[in-house]
Amino acid sequence: AQKITQTQPGMFVQEKEAVTLDCTYDTSDPSYGLFWYKQPSSGEMIFLIYQGSYDQQNATEGRYSLNFQKARKSANLVISASQLGDSAMYFCAMREGGYQKVTFGIGTKLQVIP
Amino acid sequence: DAGVIQSPRHEVTEMGQEVTLRCKPISGHNSLFWYRQTMMRGLELLIYFNNNVPIDDSGMPEDRFSAKMPNASFSTLKIQPSEPRDSAVYFCASKGGGYGNQPQHFGDGTRLSIL
Repeated sequence: AQKITQTQPGMFVQEKEAVTLDCTYDTSDPSYGLFWYKQPSSGEMIFLIYQGSYDQQNATEGRYSLNFQKARKSANLVISASQLGDSAMYFCAMREGGYQKVTFGIGTKLQVIP
Repeated sequence: DAGVIQSPRHEVTEMGQEVTLRCKPISGHNSLFWYRQTMMRGLELLIYFNNNVPIDDSGMPEDRFSAKMPNASFSTLKIQPSEPRDSAVYFCASKGGGYGNQPQHFGDGTRLSIL
C-alpha cells in the first residue's frame, strides 16, 4: 500500500479563494509526522508546515493550515486567500516513528487563476 | 543563514562518463539526504547519512551509484558510468538534530542530463 496518497494530480483555484489539497497516509506506527512542501516551477523544495501525530491542534503557518483527521488518516493542506505565487507542485510527506527518512507523495499541481 | 548548497546546478554529459554531484549541508545539521526526482517516479530517497555515517542506502539504484560524506560539511553523489536513464533532478537535503519534527531543508537541486 502507498504510504502517502495524493489523489489530485491538478487543481485550479481562483485568486483570493481558499483551496484544499488532499493527502491520506498509511502507517501502523502511533508516532509519525506529516509535512507539506511546495515546489514552484523554478524547482526548489520549500517546507511549508508540519503536523505531529500527537499534536492536539491543527498546525497553522500564515495562510497555510493543516486539516488533520487522525481517524481518517488524512492531512489536507488548506491555503487561504490564494495568490498567483501559490501556483506550484505541492507534496505531502510522512516520517514514521523515530526514523529520519521521509516518504513523499506524488504531488498535486496547483494553478491559481487571476 | 546559508541554505543547502548544491553544485553544479546543471550538468550535461555523455553516456559512460563519471558524474559527481556535490552538497554542502546547513551548518549544524547532522542528517543529510540525497533524492532523485523524475516525472515517472517522483521524489525518491537514494541514501541518507546521520553524523556522516550512511544509515540507509536501500534506494541507491545500483552499483553505479555511490555516495560519501567525508565530513559534516560535505557530501558527494557519484555515478560511474552514467547512463541516459540517470537523467533527473538530484536534490540534497539536510536536517537538524532532535526529534523528527524538524523538516528537511532542500538545496536547489542539480539537473542532470545524460546524452
